[in-house]
Amino acid sequence: NAGVMQNPRHLVRRRGQEARLRCSPMKGHSHVYWYRQLPEEGLKFMVYLQKENIIDESGMPKERFSAEFPKEGPSILRIQQVVRGDSAAYFCASSPHPNEQFFGPGTRLTVL
Amino acid sequence: LAKTTQPISMDSYEGQEVNITCSHNNIATNDYITWYQQFPSQGPRFIIQGYKTKVTNEVASLFIPADRKSSTLSLPRVSLSDTAVYYCLVGPVGDSSYKLIFGSGTRLLVRP
Repeated sequence: NAGVMQNPRHLVRRRGQEARLRCSPMKGHSHVYWYRQLPEEGLKFMVYLQKENIIDESGMPKERFSAEFPKEGPSILRIQQVVRGDSAAYFCASSPHPNEQFFGPGTRLTVL
Repeated sequence: LAKTTQPISMDSYEGQEVNITCSHNNIATNDYITWYQQFPSQGPRFIIQGYKTKVTNEVASLFIPADRKSSTLSLPRVSLSDTAVYYCLVGPVGDSSYKLIFGSGTRLLVRP
């Protein structure tokens, strides 16, 4: 059973561009979570999704950020009009139920 | 959610036992203590979880005193590959506990 997969592992964008981060959960996992980690800090919760539903997006900035987990395919975290402050590592986790999360390797976003 | 305090960093040598203490003075009755490990450029990985007294698995031991206001993660005979950041998390376990709260963690450096 492959672990949580994220791609790309590294993403470079210029200010104003869009960033799309993808997360494929472990097989059989229907819960997906996104976290952001700034350098030298711990992970910060962004959003919790189940298939086709956003359960909790309380940690996600109100503007420019969106997330989805369609019926088919990976979960997508989308950042529009990126700014330098968006540079961070973005981690996805998945679980068969809310109590146990398995993390992917992360996507490191650099905004020039 | 209970706030946690851990040392920012620790140094050790191969073969030594390492004990990392976490303070959580306002832990609630239904809170559990969970430790995660994060290697550079990877997502966090669950190590151990406990409620009281002592828990041991193949990786580590977790010691929790009777008042539960602190806990100690014990890593026996560390190797270079144990160099990582260790996070102590305190919170309820269950369907409503999906929002993991990570502090800054303890950076453990194991030297040859």
